Amino acid sequence: QVQLVESGGGVVQPGMSLTLSCAASGFTFSNYVMHWVRLAPGKGLERVAVIWYDGSSKYYEDSVKGRFTISRDNSKNTLFLQMNSLRAEDTAVYYCARDTAMIDGYFAYWGQGTLVTVSS
Amino acid sequence: EVVMTQSPATLSVSPGERATLSCRASQSVDKTLAWYQHKPGQAPRLLIYGASTRATGVPARFSGSGSGTEFTLTISSLQSEDFAIYYCQKYNNWPWGTFGQGTKLVIK
Repeated sequence: QVQLVESGGGVVQPGMSLTLSCAASGFTFSNYVMHWVRLAPGKGLERVAVIWYDGSSKYYEDSVKGRFTISRDNSKNTLFLQMNSLRAEDTAVYYCARDTAMIDGYFAYWGQGTLVTVSS
Repeated sequence: EVVMTQSPATLSVSPGERATLSCRASQSVDKTLAWYQHKPGQAPRLLIYGASTRATGVPARFSGSGSGTEFTLTISSLQSEDFAIYYCQKYNNWPWGTFGQGTKLVIK
């Protein structure tokens, strides 16, 4: 069965960096567009980054553009989110999510999430 | 940029009753609208896609309707496990991914 397992969250100070990972299994990872979605305290879901199945195209929401980098290693079935210059407003649970086989843009599979807390 | 607006922010309903949640798009998204259920500490769960198609394993008490700019998620007879936060998401064009701010469904 499809599994997505995030890791790498933790507590960091403002301005620091953190890299999240999402280990995928149960499907052919290289065939799917992948997303990072976050849920900040008291706010709604926000998709922050998306990467094409071969890494050839990436998109970032304005809130993280220039600070976050999405990447993937298809040989290791792993998705990454490198987060630099972290701010208090980046505090959230970060989920990886898989797009559909037809790249429809909605997410049938999600990980359980990893918590990132940015605080001094 | 298409903005998704959900209403109400909080909906109080008694178990066994019907719940109706709304999602409005600032411009037409045709039928490219999904609904998710999210409970604290869990992964969000896809309920509906294509505005009205139930995802695999979703009970029949969940139904979606609408097209263009107005959408509705209806839960016909609320069960205890249905109390959660519900999000709509439009996905009509790249880069997809725009969610509404959510409706919290609470027990009355």
